[in-house]
Amino acid sequence: AQSVSQHNHHVILSEAASLELGCNYSYGGTVNLFWYVQYPGQHLQLLLKYFSGDPLVKGIKGFEAEFIKSKFSFNLRKPSVQWSDTAEYFCAVNANFNKFYFGSGTKLNVKP
Amino acid sequence: DTGVSQDPRHKITKRGQNVTFRCDPISEHNRLYWYRQTLGQGPEFLTYFQNEAQLEKSRLLSDRFSAERPKGSFSTLEIQRTEQGDSAMYLCASRPGESGNTIYFGEGSWLTVV
Repeated sequence: AQSVSQHNHHVILSEAASLELGCNYSYGGTVNLFWYVQYPGQHLQLLLKYFSGDPLVKGIKGFEAEFIKSKFSFNLRKPSVQWSDTAEYFCAVNANFNKFYFGSGTKLNVKP
Repeated sequence: DTGVSQDPRHKITKRGQNVTFRCDPISEHNRLYWYRQTLGQGPEFLTYFQNEAQLEKSRLLSDRFSAERPKGSFSTLEIQRTEQGDSAMYLCASRPGESGNTIYFGEGSWLTVV
């Protein structure tokens, strides 16, 4: 069965620090990859997605993610975080155009 | 607001009671999903519909759970004889057909079984 692993459950950073959140998935075929963000009290929102082409994708609010096929990874990065980035981040994989599998999430706490 | 809407947003029920949640997807999205999320976990797939057809159900969906999408528009998720372990956030999401491969979530329905 497909699975998605997020290595960090809770990350605490100061403002302006760089961020990298890990995501690995298990599926040997073609995948579509996503990062969703959930701000406190809000619903899950799409941050960015990868379908094909350039493995470095850029999303909203300065986030980017790199797809490394050989490592089955899709790590999320941001060069300089802000307090407003405090949220929970979920990596997701869509492997057969139907179901979407989510990781367990990483809570990011940015200290002002 | 033309996003996915869910109702009710919060429900507290006594163990053994039945509850029903409703989801209105984004219009013209023919695929609709139900997920469950508990604290510290990511969304877990429950079931999904293409139009009115329920195409797949997770093993997480016990016999006490039933979902419908009678006219291919809104959907309901009913839980019968609720148990404390059913306490969770029930998320609905929708997406367009084959040409759209991103799912859009509603704000969820919190269920607390006491």
